[in-house]
Amino acid sequence: DIVMTQSPLFLPVTPGEPASISCKSSQSLLHSDGYNYLEWYLQKPGKSPQLLIYLGSNRPSGVPDRFSVIGSGTDFTLNISRVAAEDVGVYYCMQAHQTPLTFGGGTTVEIK
Amino acid sequence: QVRLQESGPGLVKPSETLSLTCSVSGGSINSDYWSWIRQSPGKGLEWIGYIYYTGGTNYNPSLKSRVSMSVDTSKNQISLRLNSVTAADTAVYYCARQGYSYFDDWGPGTLVTVSS
Repeated sequence: DIVMTQSPLFLPVTPGEPASISCKSSQSLLHSDGYNYLEWYLQKPGKSPQLLIYLGSNRPSGVPDRFSVIGSGTDFTLNISRVAAEDVGVYYCMQAHQTPLTFGGGTTVEIK
Repeated sequence: QVRLQESGPGLVKPSETLSLTCSVSGGSINSDYWSWIRQSPGKGLEWIGYIYYTGGTNYNPSLKSRVSMSVDTSKNQISLRLNSVTAADTAVYYCARQGYSYFDDWGPGTLVTVSS
């Protein structure tokens, strides 16, 4: 299985300030089609996870452009350019390069 | 955007079978892959497996010996069965649509507790 490792575990943030979450995979997620099969989800308190980023760095419609991802292969970083109050929750990265699909342990983002 | 709703018993006894249904509305089940994912209390997410509308499946090897999924296209539903459950199977169970590589629609989840 591909192991996904996130850091930090807990991230206190100040609204308006930037924030970053790291995700590392035990194997490369770069497919021969040029895409990294790496997705990000945000689980807001009491809610189901919601898709934030797909295929490495793509944002679904409705996701603010303050969210971006850099990286390829095994190392990825989710950046939030200016944290908003509604960004609190648990962030998960997930690899879809091979089954079984596996998730990172999650990073809890809270407002300071 | 389809809507998904999980349903089933909230309490299952140890060694018995957990059975859940996911009802899909606002779209047809006759496309895409449909996954089950669970989240143990206070823990992270675990992919259980997926089923294609034609019935093809792919299960997580960690659960493969105990899990089965089925699809009922006439009812727009998918089902999950997990047998020989233990307390370790206590979790919130989600169904989700897998449009390509990612889950773009999720149900609200249903809590299943394994206890005598």
